[in-house]
Amino acid sequence: QVQLVQSGAEMKKPGASVKVSCKASGYTFTDYYMHWVRQAPGQGLEWMGWIYPNSGSTKYAQKFQGRVTMTRDTSIRTTYMELSSLSSDDTAMYYCARQYSESPHDFWGQGTLVTVSS
Amino acid sequence: EIVLTQSPGTLSLSPGERATLSCRASQSVNGNYLAWYQQKPGQAPRLLIYGASSRATGFPDRFSGSGSGTDFTLTISRLEPEDFAVYYCQQYGNAPWTFGQGTKVDIK
Repeated sequence: QVQLVQSGAEMKKPGASVKVSCKASGYTFTDYYMHWVRQAPGQGLEWMGWIYPNSGSTKYAQKFQGRVTMTRDTSIRTTYMELSSLSSDDTAMYYCARQYSESPHDFWGQGTLVTVSS
Repeated sequence: EIVLTQSPGTLSLSPGERATLSCRASQSVNGNYLAWYQQKPGQAPRLLIYGASSRATGFPDRFSGSGSGTDFTLTISRLEPEDFAVYYCQQYGNAPWTFGQGTKVDIK
């Protein structure tokens, strides 16, 4: 069965970077885009961007341009989202979610809580 | 960027009642690529509706989606206890993909 398993919770200081991983199983990893979506405490969902594991191509939301980097390692079926220059506004649950062709996100990871605090 | 506005913010209803949730887009959604997600506390969102009206696997037929262009609706015909949750719409036809702010359906 399809599974997206994310890395554990992180606590970072302002100005630092965080790298969250998402390990996929149960489907052809390179056939699906992997998106990253975040959710601040008590708030709505915010789309951050995607990576296409087949080619490594990426597209980021303008808000995160220059601060986010999405990468993948096809040998271990894992995608990564790195966010730099963290501030308290980046405290949120970060989700990976797969997507195929002209469909939306049909499977999501369990989420990784990133807390930014001095 | 397409802005999605959901209404109402909160819907207080009793089990057995009908729920009607609205999602309005600031411009036409390409291909009617409009999805709805259900999110319960402490859980990741779960795909409910895609292509404006197609129901995802695992959801009963009391859930239905409709609409086109800029106006979309999610209807829950008779609320069951497990349906009380937050519902988000999302457009995936134009980059950047965007979400509405959510509608919370809670127990009256």
